[in-house]
Amino acid sequence: EAAVTQSPRNKVTVTGGNVTLSCRQTNSHNYMYWYRQDTGHGLRLIHYSYGAGNLQIGDVPDGYKATRTTQEDFFLLLELASPSQTSLYFCASRTGDEQYFGPGTRLTVL
Amino acid sequence: GDSVTQTEGQVALSEEDFLTIHCNYSASGYPTLFWYVQYPGEGPQLLFRASRDKEKGSSRGFEATYDKGTTSFHLRKASVQESDSAVYYCALSNYGSSGNKLIFGIGTLLSVKP
Repeated sequence: EAAVTQSPRNKVTVTGGNVTLSCRQTNSHNYMYWYRQDTGHGLRLIHYSYGAGNLQIGDVPDGYKATRTTQEDFFLLLELASPSQTSLYFCASRTGDEQYFGPGTRLTVL
Repeated sequence: GDSVTQTEGQVALSEEDFLTIHCNYSASGYPTLFWYVQYPGEGPQLLFRASRDKEKGSSRGFEATYDKGTTSFHLRKASVQESDSAVYYCALSNYGSSGNKLIFGIGTLLSVKP
């Protein structure tokens, strides 16, 4: 079974702060995704990648950067965090048409 | 663009009640439709999928039938249990889109009382 891990699980930062969220998958899936989850909006795609060095823009990319350093590792970067980015962030990897999600990172921007 | 509509934001039931969560979609072509379930403290996980008109997906007593005519994929279970309490997401993937992106509905929080 696919394994997707995320770190940290919880993060608190201040407005203007610099935050990096990490995701690792151990099944060598090509595609990886970053989502944010908010009440009333469900899950919304921020960025995704189909391999090391590749980055594709999702549906809500403003204020976020991402980098895929290896097949396993996908990072989400918030360089000037704002309170509107307070959310629960999920990473996922995909094989076939099934996505496997990590346990999430709860980010609070004060 | 493609979209998924879930009309119930929250559903509260008692054990052994019948469950229906409505899902309607808008997409070109023949998207694959999914139900994902998210238990507290976890990420979403696939419940089941369907990719053709009239195909029934099912798992753990839950089922839904792909209906292209009414553009619907309603989730049903005949008798819910307290352990079914979770958030349920309807989603679609349209293979015409880049990256096989999933488009999610807003989710439905199911609470089942013993």
